[in-house]
Amino acid sequence: QKEVEQNSGPLSVPEGAIASLNCTYSDRGSQSFFWYRQYSGKSPELIMSIYSNGDKEDGRFTAQLNKASQYVSLLIRDSQPSDSATYLCAVSGGSYIPTFGRGTSLIVHP
Amino acid sequence: SAVISQKPSRDICQRGTSLTIQCQVDSQVTMMFWYRQQPGQSLTLIATANQGSEATYESGFVIDKFPISRPNLTFSTLTVSNMSPEDSSIYLCSVDKGMNTEAFFGQGTRLTVV
Repeated sequence: QKEVEQNSGPLSVPEGAIASLNCTYSDRGSQSFFWYRQYSGKSPELIMSIYSNGDKEDGRFTAQLNKASQYVSLLIRDSQPSDSATYLCAVSGGSYIPTFGRGTSLIVHP
Repeated sequence: SAVISQKPSRDICQRGTSLTIQCQVDSQVTMMFWYRQQPGQSLTLIATANQGSEATYESGFVIDKFPISRPNLTFSTLTVSNMSPEDSSIYLCSVDKGMNTEAFFGQGTRLTVV
């Protein structure tokens, strides 16, 4: 069974700090990796996708992928209180159906 | 990306009744999924809605309880049948264009069964 593991948190960081969110996955055939942000009472919204090893940067967000270690992470620089949300890691492979992790709750305190 | 309209956004229903949730996409998509998200939990896939054929259900979900229609490449419905309080949850429609591309979500339907 394909699994995607995330620490449920909460991860608490001060405003302006770097938040580091981590995710591991079990299926070595996985090809696509996504990070979603979900505010309380809202649906998930895509913030990053990454398909190859290395780093991908988009504004304050950096996704990092290491397929050998089956590990994907999301860094949020200069964290803001508005970044407080649950971050879901999703992985997809041969079946094209994404598998979601349980999510990590991030709290950015002023 | 895709613009997804899901309705109703919320409803309060009596036990034993049924509710049909609609999902409309602004463009043709290959894959449409229905998820359930219980409070404080992650997403649980109910089924993949297949255009022109029966939906593919995940373990623990059956067609009699969650009948799904997908008459074309832009529209799907999920019915929650014979509801009980345990069905109270958020139900989410999701779409992607296949080939391991990113998925997008509707606004969700918050269902409360009393």
